[in-house]
Amino acid sequence: NAGVTQTPKFRILKIGQSMTLQCTQDMNHNYMYWYRQDPGMGLKLIYYSVGAGITDKGEVPNGYNVSRSTTEDFPLRLELAAPSQTSVYFCASSYHRDSPRTNEKLFFGSGTQLSVL
Amino acid sequence: TQLLEQSPQFLSIQEGENLTVYCNSSSVFSSLQWYRQEPGEGPVLLVTVVTGGEVKKLKRLTFQFGDARKDSSLHITAAQTGDTGLYLCAGAGSGGYQKVTFGTGTKLQVIP
Repeated sequence: NAGVTQTPKFRILKIGQSMTLQCTQDMNHNYMYWYRQDPGMGLKLIYYSVGAGITDKGEVPNGYNVSRSTTEDFPLRLELAAPSQTSVYFCASSYHRDSPRTNEKLFFGSGTQLSVL
Repeated sequence: TQLLEQSPQFLSIQEGENLTVYCNSSSVFSSLQWYRQEPGEGPVLLVTVVTGGEVKKLKRLTFQFGDARKDSSLHITAAQTGDTGLYLCAGAGSGGYQKVTFGTGTKLQVIP
């Protein structure tokens, strides 16, 4: 059972470089998310998508872009990497239905540790 | 922006001891979840509570949602080394799961 798969696991970038973090899920979930995790700060939502072709900004979207061309894939693009983007990035997915919601949960990938030097 | 403060931030205890982790906010949440995260992995859901005053038990873990749905606690009885990890609470507003707010996290170390 693959679940949510993220690649790469680790990456070092130089300031100004760009890269794409890949995320794919095989659970046919409609909602997908990108979070970043910094020490002592919990998880901050970068972007989310409620279905193929639909994306929206989260709490900290600046410096990032996303696309959702298929239900399975939700890549995160970093343009002009900056040291402030050094973090651990998590992709997540969930099956959202309006009602009932009590059993809804987020499934997370294993993360991408990114350093921008 | 809704904020969820967790306390304590760090906790190191001996195996067999009991502990409580708190998750507090000034905002009301429609539901609250607890996740555990191990090093190098993503968070994994432990429980969801949705009703004010609700108590759920998962083996040695007891979760409680505050009456006003603004806070929650996680109590672990007779901690084991396998309980070591980062515990995150996450509150959902009425706007669906894109509106989930994660707490600041409690890092638990259980020493044998």
